[in-house]
Amino acid sequence: DAGVIQSPRHEVTEMGQEVTLRCKPISGHNSLFWYRQTMMRGLELLIYFNNNVPIDDSGMPEDRFSAKMPNASFSTLKIQPSEPRDSAVYFCASRQGTGGLGEAFFGQGTRLTVV
Amino acid sequence: QQQVKQSPQSLIVQKGGISIINCAYENTAFDYFPWYQQFPGKGPALLIAIRPDVSEKKEGRFTISFNKSAKQFSLHIMDSQPGDSATYFCAATRSGSARQLTFGSGTQLTVLP
Repeated sequence: DAGVIQSPRHEVTEMGQEVTLRCKPISGHNSLFWYRQTMMRGLELLIYFNNNVPIDDSGMPEDRFSAKMPNASFSTLKIQPSEPRDSAVYFCASRQGTGGLGEAFFGQGTRLTVV
Repeated sequence: QQQVKQSPQSLIVQKGGISIINCAYENTAFDYFPWYQQFPGKGPALLIAIRPDVSEKKEGRFTISFNKSAKQFSLHIMDSQPGDSATYFCAATRSGSARQLTFGSGTQLTVLP
């Protein structure tokens, strides 16, 4: 398996523009997580899905952020409109099962820069 | 609320030395404590993990020590190598939450040759 695949790897956009980050989880994994990494706040959970259903989005910072998982092999994180403070590395992770102790596998991340 | 506190923020050790990173947690509902290793430009990757019913777990040069009563745990890297230079994150999870990870703030380890 190729692991968790995120695209794009880098994104530079202007303030006010819409940004869409994409994630393909590992096949067979049914829990998917979006994390954001910044120097100030470290790694923080934004939202997670179980079996394509959003379970906890309490980490989503504002209504400008939205996430979807239309099927088991694809998820998006959208920011509209984007702001400079959204600049961060966004990681997607997936794991098998909704409980248990299975390892969470992370993608390589999308580095977002909003200018 | 920072549920997992990690120290130090950065650590420099000589090759062959012992690297020690400490973490403390607050939420007693946490029942699984993994450590993740992150290299520049990469996502975090699981290094080693422990359950609170054991006090120590060792995998190669990496050992987790766990003190349940103090709500503290630590990572020891024996015979540290330059290839161990990375950022290390402790984390905690609990059942009933799809095992979402609550991370510490990270420790940037540099091992000098």
